[in-house]
Amino acid sequence: QQPVQSPQAVILREGEDAVINCSSSKALYSVHWYRQKHGEAPIFLMILLKGGEQKGHDKISASFNEKKQQSSLYLTASQLSYSGTYFCGTRETSGSRLTFGEGTQLTVNP
Amino acid sequence: GAVVSQHPSRVICKSGTSVKIECRSLDFQATTMFWYRQFPKQSLMLMATSNEGSKATYEQGVEKDKFLINHASLTLSTLTVTSAHPEDSSFYICSAREVVRDYNEQFFGPGTRLTVL
Repeated sequence: QQPVQSPQAVILREGEDAVINCSSSKALYSVHWYRQKHGEAPIFLMILLKGGEQKGHDKISASFNEKKQQSSLYLTASQLSYSGTYFCGTRETSGSRLTFGEGTQLTVNP
Repeated sequence: GAVVSQHPSRVICKSGTSVKIECRSLDFQATTMFWYRQFPKQSLMLMATSNEGSKATYEQGVEKDKFLINHASLTLSTLTVTSAHPEDSSFYICSAREVVRDYNEQFFGPGTRLTVL
């Protein structure tokens, strides 16, 4: 089942914060976050496996709620390089395939 | 993270010809690789799952005779688009699964832009 991502698009000024949400109607095994720039392949950002987990590096972090049905990606003090399309990919079981959301297009302007 | 390469990065071909795309995991062995297709401003749609030494598993609606997949070794999978037509023009991306402890991470190749004239 395809996860639902929101918002579809967001425009920021450099230094502003953004939150991207990814939700599922079923409890998930894992959530994977990727960023894709135009014409390039998606780059892996992070994976979340445990309910209530929060992780991150630099100014990009993510959370996974206790029910394991929703994840949020947090971008703080955004930089121009953060521009791109962010996808969440979800797995319902450890061996199931990764299913991607529709993506959130993030544009950071000077 | 692990590195996945894809070749060629761009290909332009005439309608009716076949095109082969290679996907390699450079620093790890991948028993499972995935082939995705992506149209402009859309999400990644899984076409097939490629398993080393066995037949690929195709998603519903994907013609297995048109999109031939071969996973000959633990580091190489190929996708051949046979008798290509303009509607096959798309961005094709492969992904390789690396088993890390008790979970699987998927790393993507740089993609192949196919244009069929």
